[in-house]
Amino acid sequence: DQQVKQNSPSLSVQEGRISILNCDYTNSMFDYFLWYKKYPAEGPTFLISISSIKDKNEDGRFTVFLNKSAKHLSLHIVPSQPGDSAVYFCAAPIIGDDKIIFGKGTRLHILP
Amino acid sequence: GAGVSQSPRYKVAKRGQDVALRCDPISGHVSLFWYQQALGQGPEFLTYFQNEAQLDKSGLPSDRFFAERPEGSVSTLKIQRTQQEDSAVYLCASIPTTGPVGEQYFGPGTRLTVT
Repeated sequence: DQQVKQNSPSLSVQEGRISILNCDYTNSMFDYFLWYKKYPAEGPTFLISISSIKDKNEDGRFTVFLNKSAKHLSLHIVPSQPGDSAVYFCAAPIIGDDKIIFGKGTRLHILP
Repeated sequence: GAGVSQSPRYKVAKRGQDVALRCDPISGHVSLFWYQQALGQGPEFLTYFQNEAQLDKSGLPSDRFFAERPEGSVSTLKIQRTQQEDSAVYLCASIPTTGPVGEQYFGPGTRLTVT
């Protein structure tokens, strides 16, 4: 049973527009969430995180929103740039554990 | 400084062969993690070391998988009698002594193909 779900395998967005990547979770034992970005032939790199006590965290062009009642989070990238084309993973560590649970990822294509 | 490095980057093994995958974490990083990423999936936890101690190996899929970190730095993931379902990218990650467990530094991975 997937605890972290990314239901969109891919997303195409025009350069300069907003990219919105979605993630749902089922486990209430997550107390913070992360987004990782992955280019081909490279390992994932940490992008941004959000604590479960917040509903928004912003870092430059990247904003993550958390809706705890809906068990949903989203990553907004605005404006989208060509270098944002990558696979984005939503992830969450289990409280008191050392494991991170990753979603399957969403491949973002930024169109010129 | 240097990031996490892994070798080899690509490995082709015939079914039944043993393989050894190496991870060099960032110098001074205490904790080291191994993940398996199958095609179209996210990374899945395999095992976790704190220094040389393997504190969690609950993600290892079978007793054919074995990991070690004898001196608390370099780690090796060994797969015995490889099977086709072992084909995946194997990722290594490390974190410093302090800091959230979620913000890990990943290596580029080793792509294992079992034929």
